[in-house]
Amino acid sequence: AQSVSQHNHHVILSEAASLELGCNYSYGGTVNLFWYVQYPGQHLQLLLKYFSGDPLVKGIKGFEAEFIKSKFSFNLRKPSVQWSDTAEYFCAVYPYSGAGSYQLTFGKGTKLSVIP
Amino acid sequence: GAVVSQHPSWVICKSGTSVKIECRSLDFQATTMFWYRQFPKQSLMLMATSNEGSKATYEQGVEKDKFLINHASLTLSTLTVTSAHPEDSSFYICSARDRGPGYGYTFGSGTRLTVV
Repeated sequence: AQSVSQHNHHVILSEAASLELGCNYSYGGTVNLFWYVQYPGQHLQLLLKYFSGDPLVKGIKGFEAEFIKSKFSFNLRKPSVQWSDTAEYFCAVYPYSGAGSYQLTFGKGTKLSVIP
Repeated sequence: GAVVSQHPSWVICKSGTSVKIECRSLDFQATTMFWYRQFPKQSLMLMATSNEGSKATYEQGVEKDKFLINHASLTLSTLTVTSAHPEDSSFYICSARDRGPGYGYTFGSGTRLTVV
């Protein structure tokens, strides 16, 4: 079964610092990759997703992620974080088989705290 | 965009009673919905896949007689926690796939269940 690893449980940054959250997955086939964000007291929202094509994906709110197939990684980045980016971030993988029940596997999440 | 409505957002019940959680896709039809459980400081754990018109598929370790899932229509899935116990207290989230494979999953706002 596939698994998703997020290396950092809690990241604390000052405003304007750059952000990179790691995500690695274990699955040898074609994958679709997602980053979700959960702001305090709110539900999960999609930040960005990768299906195919350009491995550098741009999402909402200035976030981007790069898919590196050889490293089985899909790291999330933002050049300059804001206090409003304080949230929990989840990486998720969907192993694309062309059939099946389309189940996502989630990482354990990384809590980001941005200090004003 | 696609919206999934989950109700109630929070519920407190006495031990031994049953609680029903509803998940509705508001502007699209969802033949498949997913139910997750989120423990504090942990990732989402898939409980079951809800299929319209057929039995749900439960993940290993999830008691199907305790967590009853009904997907009666293309826009509604319900999760009933039967004979709830304090250890069932958790955050339950539903999601639905809003388009074809890999198009993304829309999540409900979650239900905080507290069993006293």
